[in-house]
Amino acid sequence: DIQMTQSPATLSASVGDRVTITCRASQTISTYLAWYQQKPGKAPKLLIYKASSLESGVPSRFSGSGSGTEFTLTISSLQPDDFAAYYCQQFNTYPYTFGQGTKLEIK
Amino acid sequence: EVKLLESGGGLVQPGGSLRLSCAASGFTFSSYGMSWVRQAPGKGLEWVSIMSGSGGTTYYADSVKGRFIISRDNSKNTLYLQMNSLRAEDTAVYYCAKVRGASSGAIDYWGQGTQVTVSS
Repeated sequence: DIQMTQSPATLSASVGDRVTITCRASQTISTYLAWYQQKPGKAPKLLIYKASSLESGVPSRFSGSGSGTEFTLTISSLQPDDFAAYYCQQFNTYPYTFGQGTKLEIK
Repeated sequence: EVKLLESGGGLVQPGGSLRLSCAASGFTFSSYGMSWVRQAPGKGLEWVSIMSGSGGTTYYADSVKGRFIISRDNSKNTLYLQMNSLRAEDTAVYYCAKVRGASSGAIDYWGQGTQVTVSS
């Protein structure tokens, strides 16, 4: 199975900061990667698909990049609503797998 | 508006069985792959299974292979997950999820989740 490793596990930042979360795959997955945001007690929400394509309705401050084995999710200017958990997911090879998550906290 | 409504969760003893259902609406159900994803208490997301729109193709996570069976009834716009030989480590919120499209396995819609607790 493809292992997805996110870093950092926890990230403390302030409103207005630019933040980057990294996701590494244990083998190449081309651009078959998605990013999700999850708030406590809620279902995840799709932010980015195919590594860099912004899902409809998602603010443009979110962006994704990467291919192969290394990917990043960047939030250009943190808003209060962005403090949540973030997960990457590969859909290149079955079984699909998620990263362990990154918790974005208010500093 | 896409809606996914799970049901069937509950408390079950180790070794027992449970069947989850997911009623879908707001899209052409038979045209999309559907997945189950779970989340244990305080833990991250775990992909469980997927079934193609036609129902002809299925895949499972190693952790549930041989114990769980995914199925769908396109005439009823409903997805199922039959869970057998349940273990304590299967305790989680189970989400029904719609796959974005044929060329993308990303999940664009999620249900609200149903709680499954395996305990004696």
